[in-house]
Amino acid sequence: SQTIHQWPATLVQPVGSPLSLECTVEGTSNPNLYWYRQAAGRGLQLLFYSVGIGQISSEVPQNLSASRPQDRQFILSSKKLLLSDSGFYLCAWSVFGTREQFFGPGTRLTVL
Amino acid sequence: TQLLEQSPQFLSIQEGENLTVYCNSSSVFSSLQWYRQEPGEGPVLLVTVVTGGEVKKLKRLTFQFGDARKDSSLHITAAQPGDTGLYLCAGGGSNYKLTFGKGTLLTVNP
Repeated sequence: SQTIHQWPATLVQPVGSPLSLECTVEGTSNPNLYWYRQAAGRGLQLLFYSVGIGQISSEVPQNLSASRPQDRQFILSSKKLLLSDSGFYLCAWSVFGTREQFFGPGTRLTVL
Repeated sequence: TQLLEQSPQFLSIQEGENLTVYCNSSSVFSSLQWYRQEPGEGPVLLVTVVTGGEVKKLKRLTFQFGDARKDSSLHITAAQPGDTGLYLCAGGGSNYKLTFGKGTLLTVNP
């Protein structure tokens, strides 16, 4: 069966510090991968998605970047965090060519 | 830009009551999914509907996709405290991305 992991689960970082969040998927090959941000426990905002290694599409201009160094690894990064980067970050995967997405447990990021 | 509006935003009911939440758009979607999310966790997929007029049942939950594939509803019969959570609908278009509504936060009181 497929599983998706995210770490860390929680993170408190000062303004101006770098960020690296990691997401890995097991039990499937060539998945589509997604990064979302959720504010205040409400709707999900798509940040990035990837249909293959090295292929990243950005949905919202911002302080963040994403990379996919391996087939089942997706990384969300920032060089300098802003207060507005605080939120709940979710990684998701889907079978290539389908629309059903399966979410990881999330990372709660607080920027102080 | 495709938008999905969910209503109501908040719903608090007593155990045993029935309820319906709605997901509406002016855009046509090729598929629509419902997720439930508990605090501090990722959303969990409940169902996918793809055909206009389609009805799917999952125990006490009934999902319907509108005939024109622009709207959907979720009906819960005899709600239980375990049904408490944020219910999100998401519409799929011509690519692999989903458009999410802002959700309905349901509280079922014992």
